[in-house]
Amino acid sequence: DIQMTQSPSTLSASVGDRVTITCRASQSISNWLAWYQQKPGKAPKLLIYKASSLENGVPSRFSGSGSGTDFTLTINSLQPDDFATYYCQQYTTYSLTFGQGTTVEIK
Amino acid sequence: EVQLVESGGGLVQPGGSLRLSCEASGFTFSSNAVSWVRQAPGKGLEWVSGFSGSIGSGGNPYYADSVKGRFTISRDNSMNTLFLQMNSLRAEDTAVYYCAKPISGGQTAFDVWGRGTMVTVSS
Repeated sequence: DIQMTQSPSTLSASVGDRVTITCRASQSISNWLAWYQQKPGKAPKLLIYKASSLENGVPSRFSGSGSGTDFTLTINSLQPDDFATYYCQQYTTYSLTFGQGTTVEIK
Repeated sequence: EVQLVESGGGLVQPGGSLRLSCEASGFTFSSNAVSWVRQAPGKGLEWVSGFSGSIGSGGNPYYADSVKGRFTISRDNSMNTLFLQMNSLRAEDTAVYYCAKPISGGQTAFDVWGRGTMVTVSS
């Protein structure tokens, strides 16, 4: 199985900050990568697919980049609603695999 | 409205069985490879099982190694429902089980999720 490693595990930030989360795959996944946001007690929400395509309705302050094994999720001007846990997921092959998650908390 | 609704969760003893259902509405269920994803309490997301390939007349089922040989995925297109038969349950299967619909174009990133159903394996 392809292993997905996110860093950092936890990130403390303030409203208005620019935040970057990285995700590394154990082998090349081309650009078959998605990013999700999850809040406590809720189902995940798709933010980005195909590494850099913004899902409909997701604010443009979210962006994704990368290909091969290294990927980045960037949140420009962090908003109060953005404090949550973020997961990357590869879908180049079964088994589909997720990163362990990055929690963005209020500084 | 596109919607997925899971049911069938509950408390079961180790070694027991449970069958989860996921009822879909608002989209062409037979053309979409809906998957099961779970989340243990306080932990991250884990893909459990799904179909790939041509969905209308079948498609191959795939499983995470952690459930292979114990869980079976199936679907009833006439009922727009996905199932997960879970046998030989273990404490580590305790989780919220979500069903999730992939985005269009054959990409298995998930744009619609159910609210989940809780499975607790405990004596």
